Amino acid sequence: KQEVTQIPAALSVPEGENLVLNCSFTDSAIYNLQWFRQDPGKGLTSLLLIQSSQREQTSGRLNASLDKSSGRSTLYIAASQPGDSATYLCAVFGSIGAGKSTFGDGTTLTVKP
Amino acid sequence: SQTIHQWPATLVQPVGSPLSLECTVEGTSNPNLYWYRQAAGRGLQLLFYSVGIGQISSEVPQNLSASRPQDRQFILSSKKLLLSDSGFYLCAWRGNYNSPLHFGNGTRLTVT
Repeated sequence: KQEVTQIPAALSVPEGENLVLNCSFTDSAIYNLQWFRQDPGKGLTSLLLIQSSQREQTSGRLNASLDKSSGRSTLYIAASQPGDSATYLCAVFGSIGAGKSTFGDGTTLTVKP
Repeated sequence: SQTIHQWPATLVQPVGSPLSLECTVEGTSNPNLYWYRQAAGRGLQLLFYSVGIGQISSEVPQNLSASRPQDRQFILSSKKLLLSDSGFYLCAWRGNYNSPLHFGNGTRLTVT
């Protein structure tokens, strides 16, 4: 059974700092991995999708990497801003087709002005 | 562009009452559709997914059921709600297994 772990559960940083969020998974037989952002009381917003054959994806100040063999992914946020404060979740999709997904519990990020 | 609509945003229902949550997707055809539940401070639990009209796969046996009467409509139902059904319910879609998953804004259900 796939398990996804995100450490730390919470992170507080000053504005402007570069930071890394971690996601680890137990079964490396994944099809792809996706990072999301969730604001309080809201749905999830897709940030980056990495296919299993890819090593990284970039969008603006965000860069996500994937090391399937070691069961790890990181989300790098450059020059953090207070607007980046949210909970960040990663999800792995383990099979072709509709794709059964397993989500981590998320890392809650606070960026202080 | 594609959009996903989910309603209602909040719902308070007594124990034993029925439930119907609706989700529709616009701007795409034959999407894969999903229902998730999120417990407070936790990750998401996949409840149901559908790859086509009338095709429903259940991930967790429970008090809930799902239906897909039209290509872009996904409904989550219950005949009799339990206290443990309280939570944040999220509908999601994606085009295929290479596409990103997109979520609606969610429904906060409180069973009293």
